[in-house]
Amino acid sequence: NAGVTQTPKFRILKIGQSMTLQCTQDMNHNYMYWYRQDPGMGLKLIYYSVGAGITDKGEVPNGYNVSRSTTEDFPLRLELAAPSQTSVYFCASSLRRTTFSYEQYFGPGTRLTVT
Amino acid sequence: AQTVTQSQPEMSVQEAETVTLSCTYDTSESNYYLFWYKQPPSRQMILVIRQEAYKQQNATENRFSVNFQKAAKSFSLKISDSQLGDTAMYFCAFMKPSGNTPLVFGKGTRLSVIA
Repeated sequence: NAGVTQTPKFRILKIGQSMTLQCTQDMNHNYMYWYRQDPGMGLKLIYYSVGAGITDKGEVPNGYNVSRSTTEDFPLRLELAAPSQTSVYFCASSLRRTTFSYEQYFGPGTRLTVT
Repeated sequence: AQTVTQSQPEMSVQEAETVTLSCTYDTSESNYYLFWYKQPPSRQMILVIRQEAYKQQNATENRFSVNFQKAAKSFSLKISDSQLGDTAMYFCAFMKPSGNTPLVFGKGTRLSVIA
């Protein structure tokens, strides 16, 4: 199993450009998450999904959009890139049931710079 | 809302010595999960150890153990026989066992293991 994969690993965007960060998991996890990590800080939740077709906002959703058409994929879209979106982006997934939750597995991250 | 506090931004330890990283959290829940994640320079988020709040016994994983004090809402990580490969950022995280609430992270502690 590959676990959680993210592409690209690095990207430089100009202000106002758009891009999609890809995330795929092969563990049949129902929950998926997008976090951003700013320098010297912990991870902050952008969006998450509890299953295909269902998404919800996290702590810092402004400037981002997500979709979840399949269990495996959870892309993150930046429509109009701004310097404040310079960060490292992590995708994660986990298996959660009504009475039990398992730990989150993280992808390797995407380092995004907006100039 | 839950909060996680790591009061030690940076720590250092001599190789083969023992070090303890502190974490406190605030919640009104009676059942929950606590985690320690390690983030080495590669940026990969790696699960170190997890603790279920309903279990009184402290979790242990090889050289890593926790001191879970539920009444004090404290969850410290002890690393024994520190190795150079333990150099990393360490994040404490909280999660409710059900519902749509994801991980809440602390800001992290940067640990340096010195030869």
